[in-house]
Amino acid sequence: DIQMTQSPSSLSASVGDRVTITCRASQSISTYLNWYQQKPGKAPKLLIYAASSLQSGVPSRFSGSTSGTDFTLTISSLQPEDFANYYCQQSYSIPWTFGQGTKVEI
Amino acid sequence: EVQLVESGGGLVQPGGSLRLSCAASGFTFSNYWMHWVRQAPGKGLVWVSRITGDGSGTVYADSVKGRFTISRDNAKNTLYLQMHSLRADDTAVYYCARVELVVAATPFDSWGLGTPVTVSS
Repeated sequence: DIQMTQSPSSLSASVGDRVTITCRASQSISTYLNWYQQKPGKAPKLLIYAASSLQSGVPSRFSGSTSGTDFTLTISSLQPEDFANYYCQQSYSIPWTFGQGTKVEI
Repeated sequence: EVQLVESGGGLVQPGGSLRLSCAASGFTFSNYWMHWVRQAPGKGLVWVSRITGDGSGTVYADSVKGRFTISRDNAKNTLYLQMHSLRADDTAVYYCARVELVVAATPFDSWGLGTPVTVSS
């Protein structure tokens, strides 16, 4: 199975901050990497697919990038509604696997 | 508008069975592969199972293989997860999710609100 390791597991930030979350794959997954946001008690929401493509309707302050097996989700200017958990997920091979999550809090 | 609505969760004793349903609307259900993903209390997301659009292809996580069965009824626009021999570590919120196959990296682009399953005596 491909292991997805996210860092940090949690971070504290303020409104307006630039936030970066990293996800490392245990092997090459090309750009088969997706990012989701989940708020407490809610379903996950797709933010970024194929490492860097913004899902329709998602604000442009969210962006994704890749360097080898390292993937980054960046929030350019944190907004109050962005405080949530974020998960990466690889779709390169079965079983699909998620990172352990990053909690973004005040 | 795409809608996925899960149902069928509840409290079940260890060793028991449960069938989850996911009612789909707002899209051509048979054109989409569907997945089940679960989340234990306070934990992360874990993929459980996938089924192809016509129901001919299924795959499972090792942790549920032989105990869970995914199926679908395209005439009823409904996805199912039959769960047997339930264990305490199956306790989770179960989400159904749609996969967008024509998009690169085939992400889970729509999710239901989830149905909670608690396995306890």
